[in-house]
Amino acid sequence: GQQLNQSPQSMFIQEGEDVSMNCTSSSIFNTWLWYKQDPGEGPVLLIALYKAGELTSNGRLTAQFGITRKDSFLNISASIPSDVGIYFCAGPVAYNFNKFYFGSGTKLNVKP
Amino acid sequence: DVKVTQSSRYLVKRTGEKVFLECVQDMDHENMFWYRQDPGLGLRLIYFSYDVKMKEKGDIPEGYSVSREKKERFSLILESASTNQTSMYLCASVGGRVTNIQYFGAGTRLSVL
Repeated sequence: GQQLNQSPQSMFIQEGEDVSMNCTSSSIFNTWLWYKQDPGEGPVLLIALYKAGELTSNGRLTAQFGITRKDSFLNISASIPSDVGIYFCAGPVAYNFNKFYFGSGTKLNVKP
Repeated sequence: DVKVTQSSRYLVKRTGEKVFLECVQDMDHENMFWYRQDPGLGLRLIYFSYDVKMKEKGDIPEGYSVSREKKERFSLILESASTNQTSMYLCASVGGRVTNIQYFGAGTRLSVL
């Protein structure tokens, strides 16, 4: 299926640094989801966004639903080693909750 | 909390074997999905089901079939496993009051030798 455009593909950062990643789409979304996937595990939902312009936090994570409804951003502040993993965005096709689009993922590496 | 359980974390099978991957969710969700995840290709939808005994093909159904005899259980079947089906398989479910969030299982890493 169609993939969302997610960047960057990978990041190597030092512990304590802030991280930012984003997702864009050519279509309008009504919901944006951000997941984290640890190696060998299934994706776990981090944040769900439902309204254009919405800014939502979950601990050190903050995500925003873009005003155009075609993009979303995830920021991680003061990264720690356990933040290592793959982060990806996702969203259901408007009015069709049987069809979800997924970003290709951002692989985050944190050096202690 | 929603719980989606995949019966096996790791499986090793031989080419030509029939393989069953099982998924159970405990939230009475209507919709369930099977994806495979490969490096560089992201998540690709194999099949989904929106009700008991109902199924729809996803983007890559070839070589797979599914079964949904009970609402909580969705099975993925590889009729005759091939080496190109070596992959991470993820089950997900959606439903109830929150219909725009997919909840995933822990995944099954399948190796076909």
